[in-house]
Amino acid sequence: DADVTQTPRNRITKTGKRIMLECSQTKGHDRMYWYRQDPGLGLRLIYYSFDVKDINKGEISDGYSVSRQAQAKFSLSLESAIPNQTALYFCATSDLSGGVYNEQFFGPGTRLTVL
Amino acid sequence: QKEVEQNSGPLSVPEGAIASLNCTYSDRGSQSFFWYRQYSGKSPELIMSIYSNGDKEDGRFTAQLNKASQYVSLLIRDSQPSDSATYLCAVGSNTVKLIFGSGTRLQVFP
Repeated sequence: DADVTQTPRNRITKTGKRIMLECSQTKGHDRMYWYRQDPGLGLRLIYYSFDVKDINKGEISDGYSVSRQAQAKFSLSLESAIPNQTALYFCATSDLSGGVYNEQFFGPGTRLTVL
Repeated sequence: QKEVEQNSGPLSVPEGAIASLNCTYSDRGSQSFFWYRQYSGKSPELIMSIYSNGDKEDGRFTAQLNKASQYVSLLIRDSQPSDSATYLCAVGSNTVKLIFGSGTRLQVFP
């Protein structure tokens, strides 16, 4: 079974619609992240969370919101989707155990298209 | 100046050759360095991590770090067509988050 799962894997929606992307993990990691990837721009951080009570904005948080429902679940919402939010979205997790830090493990991604 | 810079490529090498991928970073306080491999349409997969100056080898992969020059590289020996992918360099300056480069596309031809 995959350690980090994302649903849905593909989604086509229309401008103005609200959409939620979900991420679940069984790795037991405290930290979770949402990234978007656009061709030529690499991975850009949207939001990150260190635990259920801690939510932080990344470099491109405008137009997005998140919810950390449990240690294992971190959801990303687009309140009113717009076409330039069309991208590949990844969830990632990490922890600080064993002296290794910042290693992040990625989910399979969600391909979102906003028409 | 981008925080983490990589040549976008493509870097084309023949099968069996050594592929050399390079990355420079701007934050001298950076402490952790990673290489991810990403196949088209797939998620990044961690292949190497390095935290101190010098070389670290894992199978056909060697990561090299030079903090004084703010430079990290990845060598892939005996390159195979299956190594054809985009390689992302990621740098962590604290325990908070990683900064990713935009990736180098590697093509290994038979």
